[in-house]
Amino acid sequence: AQTVTQSQPEMSVQEAETVTLSCTYDTSESNYYLFWYKQPPSRQMILVIRQEAYKQQNATENRFSVNFQKAAKSFSLKISDSQLGDTAMYFCAFMKHDGGSQGNLIFGKGTKLSVKP
Amino acid sequence: DSGVTQTPKHLITATGQRVTLRCSPRSGDLSVYWYQQSLDQGLQFLIQYYNGEERAKGNILERFSAQQFPDLHSELNLSSLELGDSALYFCASSVETWETQYFGPGTRLLVL
Repeated sequence: AQTVTQSQPEMSVQEAETVTLSCTYDTSESNYYLFWYKQPPSRQMILVIRQEAYKQQNATENRFSVNFQKAAKSFSLKISDSQLGDTAMYFCAFMKHDGGSQGNLIFGKGTKLSVKP
Repeated sequence: DSGVTQTPKHLITATGQRVTLRCSPRSGDLSVYWYQQSLDQGLQFLIQYYNGEERAKGNILERFSAQQFPDLHSELNLSSLELGDSALYFCASSVETWETQYFGPGTRLLVL
């Protein structure tokens, strides 16, 4: 069974600074996807970024980038130029690719990020 | 707005009752997923449907059931409700099972 671990329950960062959220996972699968979702106080789940395990290049989306270390089973999220609107719960998630029959996400317990003015 | 709609937004009911949560996926999405978010269990996968067929089951109780209809909307039925069923229930959808899942706003269920 796959597990996802987020070891930082809470973090804070000053506006305009950079912060990195950690995520490790355990799997015996070779083909899978990793995601970061954001849950602001509205409780809506919003996709931040997606990484395919077969891609060596780290995914980036504007101020958000990941450091994907497949051998170490590590998938950290870096937020640059933090903004007040980045304040949210961040969830790391794993999805195995089994040929397309199933696609359920396995989530970590989340990291609560507070951006301070 | 993700394009996934869920009704109702809030639901308050009593123990022992039965409720139905409804989800309409994004236009063109064939796969629907249900997740439960509670304080003690975190975010847990319940069940997945693809084009009307059940594809995967997670930690879904026997008191819970779901279906996906020909128009692709889905319903999650929760029966014999207990206090511990109080949670935020999310529906998500994707075009195919390996594609990114987009979440609805959730239904907040409170069992008194």
